[in-house]
Parts: sequence; C-alpha cells; structure tokens
Amino acid sequence: AAGVIQSPRHLIKEKRETATLKCYPIPRHDTVYWYQQGPGQDPQFLISFYEKMQSDKGSIPDRFSAQQFSDYHSELNMSSLELGDSALYFCASSFYGPPGGQFFGPGTRLTVL
Amino acid sequence: GNSVTQMEGPVTLSEEAFLTINCTYTATGYPSLFWYVQYPGEGLQLLLKATKADDKGSNKGFEATYRKETTSFHLEKGSVQVSDSAVYFCALRDTGNQFYFGTGTSLTVIP
Repeated sequence: AAGVIQSPRHLIKEKRETATLKCYPIPRHDTVYWYQQGPGQDPQFLISFYEKMQSDKGSIPDRFSAQQFSDYHSELNMSSLELGDSALYFCASSFYGPPGGQFFGPGTRLTVL
Repeated sequence: GNSVTQMEGPVTLSEEAFLTINCTYTATGYPSLFWYVQYPGEGLQLLLKATKADDKGSNKGFEATYRKETTSFHLEKGSVQVSDSAVYFCALRDTGNQFYFGTGTSLTVIP
C-alpha cells in the first residue's frame, strides 16, 4: 500500500539559508499535518491543512510557512534557518475527521550548520 | 484542554517479560485513542487504535483497551521481544480533528 512520501530524506543547510520540505500524502487522504521532532523529544505539531486550507496551527515559527496544493501534496518552507531548527520533520496524512489515525512519513532530517 | 499523559521511561525489560505502558487522557466528548511506535531513525507508525469506550485495539501482540471510566488506554504485551525496542507514543484525536501526543516512552528489550 502507498505510504506518505517525504522529500528530501536528509538536508544540510547553513544558518540563515532557506529550506523547502515536501510531503505527498496517502492517496485520497485530504488532511496533512507537519510535526517537528527534536533529538529525544516527542513530535511537536506545527501546522495542518484540510482541502488546501490551513485547518490548525501549532508551534510553527513565523519564519516557517506551509501550503497544500491542488494535488494535496504539501510543502513546508523554512527561512532564516537557525541551529535550533535542526530536527526531524514529519509529515502525516489522514482523512478529515475522527475516528481514523494519522499515517506518518519517514521524515526529513534537517541539519543546520 | 485536551492532553495525553504517559508513563515516563526509559523502560528496560528482559525478553519474554510482560509489558505495560500506562496512558491516561483528558478530553471532552469521545476522542479516538491511538498508540504509535517509532523505531530508531524512522517515522511514527500506527500500532493500534480504539474509537469508542470498551473497544480493544490489538496488533502484533500488543493490546490496549479504551477505558472511559478511568480515562486510560494502557498498552500491554504479554511477551516482549528484542525487536519491540522502540519509542511508544500514546495519542488522542478529539472531535475537532486535533491530535495530541504523549511524550513517548522508550522501551529497550534485552536478550
């Protein structure tokens, strides 16, 4: 079965650079979520989209923005990168509304030098 | 507000030991409850779920029962294996479509 696809899997950037992470949800899933997971931390919710509209916002820094496109894939744009942005970034997808769970992608490991 | 509280780790068990990881939640209405597992270097995988009171989710020998009276969803496995070593996250999905994760419990199973 198709799973959530994220690209790239690994990314190395310098401070103050920008990065774009991509997420391709499971086919027919209409909701996408982004999480940030620091080393040894639990996933922190950043933002979610339903039918291309932002549906919920968590602890996403103002330097970050995201959108969902007409094909339901989503991109997380990160600007003015800081060392503290180094983390694993997960995308998850689901059908909107309870009771189903989220299905997570393998994550993008971002390292900011 | 809604939240999930799970027992802190790390938990270290010998192979074939019995596992319990406690999870309690706070939520209004009738949330759905989940356990996710994260193996080293990988993303979270849905392990099992329960969508209403008294439901039992089960998968790969793991079980958890949705207990509304105690607002709990404890994860259990009768005989753990080395391959079960991972971080386990309890989560809920509320009626407003928001997800809340616990802080994760690291499990190490030694031969």
